[in-house]
Amino acid sequence: GDSVTQMEGPVTLSEEAFLTINCTYTATGYPSLFWYVQYPGEGLQLLLKATKADDKGSNKGFEATYRKETTSFHLEKGSVQVSDSAVYFCALMDTGRRALTFGSGTRLQVQP
Amino acid sequence: KAGVTQTPRYLIKTRGQQVTLSCSPISGHRSVSWYQQTPGQGLQFLFEYFSETQRNKGNFPGRFSGRQFSNSRSEMNVSTLELGDSALYLCASSSLGDDGELFFGEGSRLTVL
Repeated sequence: GDSVTQMEGPVTLSEEAFLTINCTYTATGYPSLFWYVQYPGEGLQLLLKATKADDKGSNKGFEATYRKETTSFHLEKGSVQVSDSAVYFCALMDTGRRALTFGSGTRLQVQP
Repeated sequence: KAGVTQTPRYLIKTRGQQVTLSCSPISGHRSVSWYQQTPGQGLQFLFEYFSETQRNKGNFPGRFSGRQFSNSRSEMNVSTLELGDSALYLCASSSLGDDGELFFGEGSRLTVL
């Protein structure tokens, strides 16, 4: 079945540091890929998405590129802020099945 | 427009009881799906409803059920509660034209004692 693997956390960075959170997936079809963010005590918010190979999703300074050859969708940001502290989830949705398969989540802590 | 609304936000039940959680989707959204979030298992898909019909179902026992009403509001029910059912239950809604984008509510946190 489909699965998503993302790097273990927590990831602790200083403000303005570069961020990478690795995400790889296994899927039988051609899934859409997503990054969701969860702030403390809140639900999930869509951060960015990509629906086909080589697409780049971007939002709020975060970027991720859909790499079919490496089955990856790594999240990057050039300069993190304290307000980016949250849990980040990589997810996929297989074509025709409106159900997200999530990774285990990566907690990001940004220190001032 | 208003987001996805889930009620209640917090509740405490005892083993063996049942619970019903409610979800009001974003206006105009006809698809509603439910997810369970626990520290051990992470986020897992429960089921998805569209136009009052269950279209997809995750790998959960029959104690977990749901339904959708004609106004797209949805409820999920868990019967014969077990300690392991303690979790954050998230509802998400989407319209078919959003390329799969789901909009999540803040969740209902269930504690089973």
